[in-house]
Amino acid sequence: DTGVSQDPRHKITKRGQNVTFRCDPISEHNRLYWYRQTLGQGPEFLTYFQNEAQLEKSRLLSDRFSAERPKGSFSTLEIQRTEQGDSAMYLCASSLVSGFGNTIYFGEGSWLTVV
Amino acid sequence: AQSVAQPEDQVNVAEGNPLTVKCTYSVSGNPYLFWYVQYPNRGLQFLLKYITGDNLVKGSYGFEAEFNKSQTSFHLKKPSALVSDSALYFCAVRDLRALNFGKGTSLLVTP
Repeated sequence: DTGVSQDPRHKITKRGQNVTFRCDPISEHNRLYWYRQTLGQGPEFLTYFQNEAQLEKSRLLSDRFSAERPKGSFSTLEIQRTEQGDSAMYLCASSLVSGFGNTIYFGEGSWLTVV
Repeated sequence: AQSVAQPEDQVNVAEGNPLTVKCTYSVSGNPYLFWYVQYPNRGLQFLLKYITGDNLVKGSYGFEAEFNKSQTSFHLKKPSALVSDSALYFCAVRDLRALNFGKGTSLLVTP
């Protein structure tokens, strides 16, 4: 069990550029989640997948944000035309699908700084 | 909507003393409650969870949490704090989609 892996860990980008983050979940986990965390706040849910199906995307912050999980394994979160307000840590997590009681495991996060 | 509240932004405790980090919840139906810890510039680490059964839940690193249905609380506790316990602690409740987190409580343990 190698845990949830996120890449890159840190990204500095200029305003207006596009950025993409990758997440590799725990291998047997079929649910994958994306969260955003800003300083002094708790993680904020963005979207989640069950296998390759995106089951919720209404919480994505704007139409500049999109996520994919094309083969039901790794996932990408893309932010287009970045703004300074997008600066935050983006957390990926995974779990088994069955039951509310299953633990959700988080990766180390990807820090985004928009300058 | 399922939600949790953490009423304290910061908790200070001396090393060796017991610690409590508070969490209250608001849910429809049965609550599924979790505690996570976050060290600086790191992701969230799972500590413990309440699903059903015994109201006292034991978790990692000597932490435990007490579920109280009448007070709708799920406070995190440790009998003897360590300096290395200093971190951000998040309470969370599970809903149909994912976890909903509180704002977090910063725990500072002083030598």
